[in-house]
Order: sequence, then structure tokens, then C-alpha cells
Amino acid sequence: GENVEQHPSTLSVQEGDSAVIKCTYSDSASNYFPWYKQELGKRPQLIIDIRSNVGEKKDQRIAVTLNKTAKHFSLHITETQPEDSAVYFCAASFPLGNQFYFGTGTSLTVIP
Amino acid sequence: SAVISQKPSRDICQRGTSLTIQCQVDSQVTMMFWYRQQPGQSLTLIATANQGSEATYESGFVIDKFPISRPNLTFSTLTVSNMSPEDSSIYLCSVDPGHFDQPQFFGPGTRLTVL
Repeated sequence: GENVEQHPSTLSVQEGDSAVIKCTYSDSASNYFPWYKQELGKRPQLIIDIRSNVGEKKDQRIAVTLNKTAKHFSLHITETQPEDSAVYFCAASFPLGNQFYFGTGTSLTVIP
Repeated sequence: SAVISQKPSRDICQRGTSLTIQCQVDSQVTMMFWYRQQPGQSLTLIATANQGSEATYESGFVIDKFPISRPNLTFSTLTVSNMSPEDSSIYLCSVDPGHFDQPQFFGPGTRLTVL
């Protein structure tokens, strides 16, 4: 199956700074890449996604970039706020069946 | 997005027993999935719950340990059988309301502790 690696495992930034989380995937057939935010004790919530025919997608302070050739994609959060503190997971999806394979997660702490 | 509920929200069980977790969606969905999230870890896909047929299991998960039912397009169950402390985890169902290349939405999870 697909293997998704995620870095870093922990990230601390000052409020207002940017945060970048990177993921790589192994199967070139994967074509859909969502990002989820999980707050402590809560379910994962989708924050942004990107499909393989797009190189970049932006939604206010959040952006995702995809490099299909290198098989990696990144989450960028600008002007971070304390409420951005959470665990973030990337995932890669096969085109058939839509199974998601998740990265190991990044615990982001935004320091006020 | 779909409203997803799970029962129970949490349980404490004795080793050797079984627990069935229910996942209910407020609308018909194409795909339903079951994940395990061990403490402080990522989400691991257990299986795809197929409506009207046997579930499709990921490597490392077997039907005898995690039997799954999906009798219709809004409901699925996951049973954790013959439990051991290593089965202590959060179990989450997710749904894909549409077709491929669509986000999945997660239920609130079931926190299982096995003593």
C-alpha cells in the first residue's frame, strides 16, 4: 500500500510566524491529498485538500503545494494564531476505492 | 457535510471480550471506512466497509479479529473481538459522501480501554 512520511513531528512557532509541514508519498498513482487538523480529544477535521492536476491551492491563511514529480506536498500556514495549535495529518489517496493513508502527524504549537 | 455519530463514545472492557461499535450517518454515503488511532499516533485504516458485501481489509487486519457489517448505505458496525490491552485505541469511522477524490468526514470516535 501507500507509504506517507511527514515532517517534522513537532513544530513550535511564535504567533504571527509561518509554519510549514512536509509530506512525501510513495505511490505515483495517488492523486488526492487532504490535510486534517485534530485538536485534543476531537475528531480530525479537513482543512484543505489538493488534487494531482493542481500544483497549489490557497484558502485564506492556509495553502498546500504539490510536486508530483518529487512526490511531495506541503502545508503552509501563515500569520499563525494560538488556535492553530493542534496535530496536523497529511494523507494520500488511491484513485480507486478512495482509501486514505495518513502521515505520522505534526504537533504544532503556536506560542502567544 | 454528513452528520456522523458513533456508539459507544467510550468503553472499558475486560480482556477476552468483544465490543461492537456502531457508526450512523444521516444521509446515504457511498463509502464507509474504519480507522484505529492508538494513543498519540496517526490514523491507520483497518478496512473499507462495503455495502452488501464483505469488507476489504488492510494488511495486518483480519476479519476474525475485526468483523465489519454494512447492511445499508447509512450504517456500519465494527467488532473488536477477543480483546487484549493492545487493542486500547480510539476507533473512528469515516464516510466519503461522493465518489473518488473526495474528502472523508470522521465520526467522533470510540475510545476503547481494555484491562
